[in-house]
Amino acid sequence: DSGVTQTPKHLITATGQRVTLRCSPRSGDLSVYWYQQSLDQGLQFLIHYYNGEERAKGNILERFSAQQFPDLHSELNLSSLELGDSALYFCASSVGEEQTYNEQFFGPGTRLTVL
Amino acid sequence: LAKTTQPISMDSYEGQEVNITCSHNNIATNDYITWYQQFPSQGPRFIIQGYKTKVTNEVASLFIPADRKSSTLSLPRVSLSDTAVYYCLCVGGATNKLIFGTGTLLAVQP
Repeated sequence: DSGVTQTPKHLITATGQRVTLRCSPRSGDLSVYWYQQSLDQGLQFLIHYYNGEERAKGNILERFSAQQFPDLHSELNLSSLELGDSALYFCASSVGEEQTYNEQFFGPGTRLTVL
Repeated sequence: LAKTTQPISMDSYEGQEVNITCSHNNIATNDYITWYQQFPSQGPRFIIQGYKTKVTNEVASLFIPADRKSSTLSLPRVSLSDTAVYYCLCVGGATNKLIFGTGTLLAVQP
């Protein structure tokens, strides 16, 4: 158990819908990262927040957005869902802002299925 | 961020030592070499990180030559539970994201 929690574990929805994935980082961790893992794209970095502020963006679509709240939990919002958005979405957390000395701890993931 | 190249897959038997080599020719001065392990449908897990020479922890060793253009993850006496995908990454202090390649699928057989 990494200490990072993600809800829900599974999510099944239809194309065009909007969903929210939630992540609670380990106690004391200020950084939250979101990753998407699909069969054809592998593990892709989406976005990084540190203490409520966006720090880096990766291959995140405009239909996707995220935020980190004052209590440090984070939400990833996916809208206008397409079949290709079906994937495992992982949240990770680390203590600091830079990752060189701060390993990332990954949550169990949310499996999103878009029908 | 430096691109890494590693074998797509490797086979081994229980009790053997496994060495997975990763190439990172364009590694930056500030980059650290980091390895993660991932089991199916689970999030990646940090294994080890190093800058140069040799690093050892309770699960693995990491060998990095002086030119740092490659590195080798060594897993001593593997067991069936070590069957997983192993990712090699170059992680720089100025960047805040992990760029995963295709990884190496290690299959350990009895």
